[in-house]
Amino acid sequence: DAKTTQPPSMDCAEGRAANLPCNHSTISGNEYVYWYRQIHSQGPQYIIHGLKNNETNEMASLIITEDRKSSTLILPHATLRDTAVYYCIVAGNTDKLIFGTGTRLQVFP
Amino acid sequence: DAGVIQSPRHEVTEMGQEVTLRCKPISGHNSLFWYRQTMMRGLELLIYFNNNVPIDDSGMPEDRFSAKMPNASFSTLKIQPSEPRDSAVYFCAITLAGDRSTQYFGPGTRLTVL
Repeated sequence: DAKTTQPPSMDCAEGRAANLPCNHSTISGNEYVYWYRQIHSQGPQYIIHGLKNNETNEMASLIITEDRKSSTLILPHATLRDTAVYYCIVAGNTDKLIFGTGTRLQVFP
Repeated sequence: DAGVIQSPRHEVTEMGQEVTLRCKPISGHNSLFWYRQTMMRGLELLIYFNNNVPIDDSGMPEDRFSAKMPNASFSTLKIQPSEPRDSAVYFCAITLAGDRSTQYFGPGTRLTVL
């Protein structure tokens, strides 16, 4: 069973920041927060991951609360190509990822 | 998905037939995963290999499913006999040696069992 809770869908205007929340209240101390996305008809794509510090890369920023029970993925300037299903996954330092139902982000012009 | 080649991309078969899905990862991978995605059940991990050895096959639905990795450059997922409920998109994914945090997915094989 997935250990995360995400809203089923969100909308965002093109050019604006998209903030996707994720709750993981049962996260363990050695578990990471991973974000993947899946654009229609493609395989999932890795975005970012973190343990407890905020992380940023060329795709997005990840903000993890101090108690680590929730996090937010930020796409700073959403484009139409960011329309996808976004998965928040909690996993230990292991290869196994359990995907939940994710958040369907719709970016509109 | 540039690092993972899956074939065929689409497969239509009749119930009872044997189906073999193939995955060819790039060199330098560490682990290889097989997933299945349906509307009803979402994305499910079926099995994964580490250094060509099966580590966890708890997601394999039943004995009709089998997966092999005879060498580092090739893996197969076989369904025998196939059933209509096996219709799904099957993804192969890999992690690279030294970077277990990132899985790279192939484009998937869309299987339809009539």
